Amino acid sequence: GEDVEQSLFLSVREGDSSVINCTYTDSSSTYLYWYKQEPGAGLQLLTYIFSNMDMKQDQRLTVLLNKKDKHLSLRIADTQTGDSAIYFCADPRDMGRRALTFGSGTRLQVQP
Amino acid sequence: KAGVTQTPRYLIKTRGQQVTLSCSPISGHRSVSWYQQTPGQGLQFLFEYFSETQRNKGNFPGRFSGRQFSNSRSEMNVSTLELGDSALYLCASSPGTGGIAGTDTQYFGPGTRLTVL
Repeated sequence: GEDVEQSLFLSVREGDSSVINCTYTDSSSTYLYWYKQEPGAGLQLLTYIFSNMDMKQDQRLTVLLNKKDKHLSLRIADTQTGDSAIYFCADPRDMGRRALTFGSGTRLQVQP
Repeated sequence: KAGVTQTPRYLIKTRGQQVTLSCSPISGHRSVSWYQQTPGQGLQFLFEYFSETQRNKGNFPGRFSGRQFSNSRSEMNVSTLELGDSALYLCASSPGTGGIAGTDTQYFGPGTRLTVL
């Protein structure tokens, strides 16, 4: 299977919370990233979490890491229409941890 | 600080031609990585340059090459273009020194959209 897996699509209503999930296979990952891509744009770094952390909160974003299950999630509180985008989790697992392996991306659609 | 810049933003070429894409990293960053994004294959690592040397290379044919200049700016070249090379090419910069977690976080540019006809 893929090294990093994500569900493809998530639809939520404005004001609700969104939870985007990611699973990875590399048990030696030291840190994991979340990037956001808006239509026609590059990747915007949202946040990252060290492997020795279970949770990281940054304003409306909360990242949860379950190392035992190799599961990573990104929670967006009070989701806004401007949050509509594709979200990628990424694992710097290769090439001395300098080459990011990306999931397929989760398209988040926020309904007004 | 200015972010990562890429030029041109859009490019249309025909099969068999060659193309050169340019990337200017964030000031002070010495590592530049290139990624290809296509609907079918997603985001794939091409190569990484650090201090004017290719430090890592992904699984792409030799038609894909790059270089880095002393000011850390990087160029990527694709020769003998094929239809399948149509993609968004993303450049990312990082300090490149590794070590402390987080210091090699990669920051991406807006990408160059290449269309091969």
